[in-house]
Amino acid sequence: DAGVTQSPTHLIKTRGQHVTLRCSPISGHKSVSWYQQVLGQGPQFIFQYYEKEERGRGNFPDRFSARQFPNYSSELNVNALLLGDSALYLCASSLATHLEQFFGPGTRLTVL
Amino acid sequence: GQQLNQSPQSMFIQEGEDVSMNCTSSSIFNTWLWYKQDPGEGPVLLIALYKAGELTSNGRLTAQFGITRKDSFLNISASIPSDVGIYFCAGQLTTSGTYKYIFGTGTRLKVLA
Repeated sequence: DAGVTQSPTHLIKTRGQHVTLRCSPISGHKSVSWYQQVLGQGPQFIFQYYEKEERGRGNFPDRFSARQFPNYSSELNVNALLLGDSALYLCASSLATHLEQFFGPGTRLTVL
Repeated sequence: GQQLNQSPQSMFIQEGEDVSMNCTSSSIFNTWLWYKQDPGEGPVLLIALYKAGELTSNGRLTAQFGITRKDSFLNISASIPSDVGIYFCAGQLTTSGTYKYIFGTGTRLKVLA
């Protein structure tokens, strides 16, 4: 069975630009979460979605937004990119909000 | 951002030795998860714990959900070179129907053959 997939694998943007990252969950999983991982640190929780509704939000500015589609895939959008947004962005899926999460390989975003 | 206290921060061990690491928090968690992450890849789930006091094994790995629900530990027995990597704990908080996951600072494990 396919695991969590994310696209693109790598991305280079400049300050002020906008970026959209995509995630497809494991088949049958209805919950998707997004994390930011800066080099040398643990993942930081950004959002959790379940059945297209936001069910959790971390301490990130409003420049970060996300949505979940009827097929349970998800997009993370980041506006007005800053140098500090450079990180590995991870998507995780789970059957439900309180169950174990399985991570994708991540999207490496570099902001110049 | 908020992170759980995880110790030790790093450790070098000989192949065949047992390893122990733990995670502590001031908050009460409903779920504890343990992950291993290799460079440039996403974390891989090792063990999930759902009840206080729960002790769960996965091959050479054993983890426990602390009785106070504020801590968890992970043991690796008879370490092998492929155990090298960064181990993260993660706790799940539930507040007013919303969910939040907090990861630990990571334990970097290096195994000497």
